[in-house]
Amino acid sequence: GAGVSQTPSNKVTEKGKYVELRCDPISGHTALYWYRQSLGQGPEFLIYFQGTGAADDSGLPNDRFFAVRPEGSVSTLKIQRTERGDSAVYLCASSLTRNTGELFFGEGSRLTVL
Amino acid sequence: KQEVTQIPAALSVPEGENLVLNCSFTDSAIYNLQWFRQDPGKGLTSLLLIQSSQREQTSGRLNASLDKSSGRSTLYIAASQPGDSATYLCAVSGSARQLTFGSGTQLTVLP
Repeated sequence: GAGVSQTPSNKVTEKGKYVELRCDPISGHTALYWYRQSLGQGPEFLIYFQGTGAADDSGLPNDRFFAVRPEGSVSTLKIQRTERGDSAVYLCASSLTRNTGELFFGEGSRLTVL
Repeated sequence: KQEVTQIPAALSVPEGENLVLNCSFTDSAIYNLQWFRQDPGKGLTSLLLIQSSQREQTSGRLNASLDKSSGRSTLYIAASQPGDSATYLCAVSGSARQLTFGSGTQLTVLP
């Protein structure tokens, strides 16, 4: 596709449920990032993939959060046993390579945990 | 730990005015600095990318400067228009290439 695509755009779930958020990066981009943005704040780094491997997962808040990118393209962010504090917009970004610098963001998945 | 601060948090100006948005960062060992625009309920749109070896970048009515030694960047918007109303975010990239963002400046340009 022309840009970074994220689905679903909105997800409402109940506390304790499991959710998956999907990111389809720009074709050919090897670097993929997940960020989380709370209301009125800038995005916060969660995890970075170079190809299929998670090169840096230091931003994941706890072990309820996990992300995969099995074929080096589409990535899925998985959240287990969701809590109300997980409510935020989850943004995905990609860049041509890690060193290219410029990141292109998707429109985000807004997660609401009731 | 890198910290990025943006001042002011909100700004309202009449149409046609030139304006400056400020960004400061605590660790000068950056790889690059990027300015983004975010419209309500939308993702981020990249405006300008300044590599650490550069002093400024220009795109149309936008000019961004970088002073690494003092840990500062400014985004200059000339002849502002109502369509420029949005939140502007500054982000710096360190050796790990992950971006650290400021909280943004919410700009309103009044017709």
